[in-house]
Amino acid sequence: NAGVMQNPRHLVRRRGQEARLRCSPMKGHSHVYWYRQLPEEGLKFMVYLQKENIIDESGMPKERFSAEFPKEGPSILRIQQVVRGDSAAYFCASSSSTTVESYEQYFGPGTRLTVT
Amino acid sequence: TQLLEQSPQFLSIQEGENLTVYCNSSSVFSSLQWYRQEPGEGPVLLVTVVTGGEVKKLKRLTFQFGDARKDSSLHITAAQTGDTGLYLCAVRPGSNYQLIWGAGTKLIIKP
Repeated sequence: NAGVMQNPRHLVRRRGQEARLRCSPMKGHSHVYWYRQLPEEGLKFMVYLQKENIIDESGMPKERFSAEFPKEGPSILRIQQVVRGDSAAYFCASSSSTTVESYEQYFGPGTRLTVT
Repeated sequence: TQLLEQSPQFLSIQEGENLTVYCNSSSVFSSLQWYRQEPGEGPVLLVTVVTGGEVKKLKRLTFQFGDARKDSSLHITAAQTGDTGLYLCAVRPGSNYQLIWGAGTKLIIKP
């Protein structure tokens, strides 16, 4: 019973490149959340998606960041033209339709992005 | 300012000792969650507390939700090295689905 999968676990990008982070939710889960964690800080909500829909992107920077959760395949968080300040751990969480109201979210291991 | 203030930020104690960490806010919440995060991993949900004054036990961990539902504490009895980690509290304010997080308490249990 696989949990939330994220890849890659570590990603190094030079300034100006694009970063693509992938998240496969737990089996049976159709709700995906992305969070960013900076060193010595708590997690910050970025975006909440259901299949083919962005429900809440209030935590996502207006520029360079985008997210999708297609009908088939993983959810993707894309960061274009990365800058050093984008270096952080990015976590994906998922929940099912029955647990979304109780907001029981299950987290993946994260992708650690380093921008050089 | 943080919606959730966690204290202490850092705690290092010997194995076998007891400890309490706190999650405080000036706002009232319908529920609050505690997570533990180990280095290089994502947070793992420990407990959700819902009712003011509620106490939940998870082996050596005791969680309490304040009567006014503004704060919570986590007490660990006879700490073990396996308890080492970052303890985070989180709430869902309002009707949206995002979680708001405290900055966490980094706990180190020394053998």
